[in-house]
Amino acid sequence: EVQLVESGGVVVQPGGSLRLSCAASGFTFDDYAMHWVRQAPGKGLEWVSLISWDGGATYYADSVKGRFTISRDNSTNSLYLQMNSLGPEDTALYYCAKDGGDLTGGNYFESWGQGTLVTVSS
Amino acid sequence: SYELTQPPSVSVSPGQTARISCSGDALSKHYVYWYQQKPGQAPVVIICKDSERPSGIPERFSGSSSGTTVTLTISGVQAEDEADYYCQSADSSATYVVIGGGTKLTVL
Repeated sequence: EVQLVESGGVVVQPGGSLRLSCAASGFTFDDYAMHWVRQAPGKGLEWVSLISWDGGATYYADSVKGRFTISRDNSTNSLYLQMNSLGPEDTALYYCAKDGGDLTGGNYFESWGQGTLVTVSS
Repeated sequence: SYELTQPPSVSVSPGQTARISCSGDALSKHYVYWYQQKPGQAPVVIICKDSERPSGIPERFSGSSSGTTVTLTISGVQAEDEADYYCQSADSSATYVVIGGGTKLTVL
């Protein structure tokens, strides 16, 4: 069974930094791309970032490009999101998601964690 | 920036058919995936590649595609289907993953 457990969400001041982690288990981690997706309170889902299976390719939503960095450690089955220059607009529940790995279908979110809450407030 | 457009809300009575649309210029190039999210829970994928149902998803959920619009159809809606539904695809260059704004399905 796929398990994704996010951690690291806290209350942080505007302009601050934070690193989120996602511990993966139940599948061969280094076979799959991984995503971060966020959801502001009472709002819809927003894709944040994608990293390829080997970490060699990364993609970001325009809203976080230049401020967030996605990375992974395949030796420990871990996914990370380094978040810098945080603003109130970054307040959200951050989900780690496993890509579907369908070579013909494009990227999608096959499995999700339960999320970790980031609150940016003074 | 590229967007997927969904109606904010759809309401149906139990047993009726609910249809939720998702439109975007690049949908004729890329597959669409649909997710169901119930309050306080993480989303779950319910339709893959426009119309494929993952294992464990009830047959009443189906998807279809026509040009730049895709549709999620829920036949014989049940009270437990009340949730938010999101479509997801990619932009024309497949650089960005894009998620629609979501549709709240209310079962009357």
